[in-house]
Amino acid sequence: KAGVTQTPRYLIKTRGQQVTLSCSPISGHRSVSWYQQTPGQGLQFLFEYFSETQRNKGNFPGRFSGRQFSNSRSEMNVSTLELGDSALYLCASSEGTDSSEAFFGQGTRLTVV
Amino acid sequence: AQSVSQHNHHVILSEAASLELGCNYSYGGTVNLFWYVQYPGQHLQLLLKYFSGDPLVKGIKGFEAEFIKSKFSFNLRKPSVQWSDTAEYFCAVYTYKYIFGTGTRLKVLA
Repeated sequence: KAGVTQTPRYLIKTRGQQVTLSCSPISGHRSVSWYQQTPGQGLQFLFEYFSETQRNKGNFPGRFSGRQFSNSRSEMNVSTLELGDSALYLCASSEGTDSSEAFFGQGTRLTVV
Repeated sequence: AQSVSQHNHHVILSEAASLELGCNYSYGGTVNLFWYVQYPGQHLQLLLKYFSGDPLVKGIKGFEAEFIKSKFSFNLRKPSVQWSDTAEYFCAVYTYKYIFGTGTRLKVLA
């Protein structure tokens, strides 16, 4: 079956702009989580959506938001971009139980200039 | 706060050498433990996982890990590494979210 698809793969934005990233999970998976990966901070949890509801949230400012649609596809939005938002944004899909494995997409590389 | 520590940030080995990557976590409750690998230019892939039962778990590509509850550790091992094992390895704890360690970059010299 198809894996987790993230679009776009690469983005260059200017400070102050906003950006929307998309994630299509594996068919049948109801949980989508987002992570930010940077060389300095590693992989940090942003939030998780399960059945269209935000179930968990990490310690990121309100500029970072997301949503999930009825088909489980998820979008992440970052408003008022800062240089420090430059990172690889990873999406992970799972069945949503404690013991379920997460499958990661290849990520969206965001560069803020 | 829950955290995961990976002590080795960069490891360089020759082919056929044995590998052990350390991972310690801080969480008092029941945890699900994972090792993920990220090959150059590729997405994170699951190597192995521990939920319960036998504390020695075997994963793909000859990797194994041992869960030692008293030490809050989940170290990754491989008896003989190959050049193709060059990658970044992440230990992770799952409670209601994944908490990842900072990763260990492994370079295997041919």
